[in-house]
Amino acid sequence: AQKVTQAQTEISVVEKEDVTLDCVYETRDTTYYLFWYKQPPSGELVFLIRRNSFDEQNEISGRYSWNFQKSTSSFNFTITASQVVDSAVYFCALPSASGAGSYQLTFGKGTKLSVIP
Amino acid sequence: EAGVAQSPRYKIIEKRQSVAFWCNPISGHATLYWYQQILGQGPKLLIQFQNNGVVDDSQLPKDRFSAERLKGVDSTLKIQPAKLEDSAVYLCASSLVREGYGYTFGSGTRLTVV
Repeated sequence: AQKVTQAQTEISVVEKEDVTLDCVYETRDTTYYLFWYKQPPSGELVFLIRRNSFDEQNEISGRYSWNFQKSTSSFNFTITASQVVDSAVYFCALPSASGAGSYQLTFGKGTKLSVIP
Repeated sequence: EAGVAQSPRYKIIEKRQSVAFWCNPISGHATLYWYQQILGQGPKLLIQFQNNGVVDDSQLPKDRFSAERLKGVDSTLKIQPAKLEDSAVYLCASSLVREGYGYTFGSGTRLTVV
């Protein structure tokens, strides 16, 4: 069964600090994707990134970076120089095929990030 | 392109009452999902449609929840009768078939059962 664990329930940082959100996953699939979503107070889930299990190269996109380590089943997300607008709940998610060419997402419980001005 | 539309945005009902939520997916998206997000948890899939057929409803509490997607476009999720534990945000999402995980979520309906 798919499982995603986000051990950090809440994190508070002061603006401009760096922050890393942790994600540990379990899957029996040999190839898989992983996602990060952001959920601001408005409630909509906003897609941030997906990574393929074949590609362990770390990626940087602006202030965001991701550290994917298949050996430890971790997919961590770092925000550099945090801003107040980064305040949200962040979810790590693992998709599994649900038939007919589509899939369902297994989410972690989320990490609530508060960036204090 | 317009996003996934959901209504109402908020709903408060008493237990044992019925309630319905509406979702209009992105035009052309064949796959539609309903997720339930209880406070403090990640979303959990309730039901998945492809066009107007059900792909997976294994986690839908069928004694009280029902969903339909007539004509393969918009969808309605109903709860009857509601229980206190049904208080949650109900998220609708849609995607193209075989798009490679191109999910788009709506803003959700926040249900409070009192």
